[in-house]
Amino acid sequence: GAVVSQHPSRVICKSGTSVKIECRSLDFQATTMFWYRQFPKKSLMLMATSNEGSKATYEQGVEKDKFLINHASLTLSTLTVTSAHPEDSSFYICSARDGGATEAFFGQGTRLTVV
Amino acid sequence: GENVEQHPSTLSVQEGDSAVIKCTYSDSASNYFPWYKQELGKGPQLIIDIRSNVGEKKDQRIAVTLNKTAKHFSLHITETQPEDSAVYFCAARYNNAGNMLTFGGGTRLMVKP
Repeated sequence: GAVVSQHPSRVICKSGTSVKIECRSLDFQATTMFWYRQFPKKSLMLMATSNEGSKATYEQGVEKDKFLINHASLTLSTLTVTSAHPEDSSFYICSARDGGATEAFFGQGTRLTVV
Repeated sequence: GENVEQHPSTLSVQEGDSAVIKCTYSDSASNYFPWYKQELGKGPQLIIDIRSNVGEKKDQRIAVTLNKTAKHFSLHITETQPEDSAVYFCAARYNNAGNMLTFGGGTRLMVKP
């Protein structure tokens, strides 16, 4: 299957700082990328959907000013958690899909810990 | 919107036995049903998927069945091995560009050696 690379895999940051997570599609053009958040022992919760070159569409209850998503190219999307707080600590996962394909492939996930 | 229910939430089997995980969906327009395996600390990995124009698909020890009338689909793992232990998620989507997957709640499968 296609490869989606997410970086970093783990990050620890101080409260009030911002953290950027990158999601790259390595061998296909990701016209659509999805960002999920996963709490321990829970399912994936969709945060936002982004199409290359367009503004992201956020799910209800997700603060777009706190979780900044940029999808400036067909192979890269970034999620920036701004002014992070301990409650933002979670596992964040990206997914990418080529518009002409059915399958969506996931990155390895990023474990964010805010101290 | 779509709603996907997954059962059981945990499943323990003996090595070599079969495991079955079931999901139901609510939106009859959904036509794509993937299954993902997630190991601890990693992202979900697509293991098999099925589209609504077929009723069954098999890939070695893994098979998926789909009943469109009843709106449910199942994952079958035969001859389970300890390395099959993971969390499995079903999902459903209407196959249109940009549409997101709706996930089930997940099943923690434990295969005892």
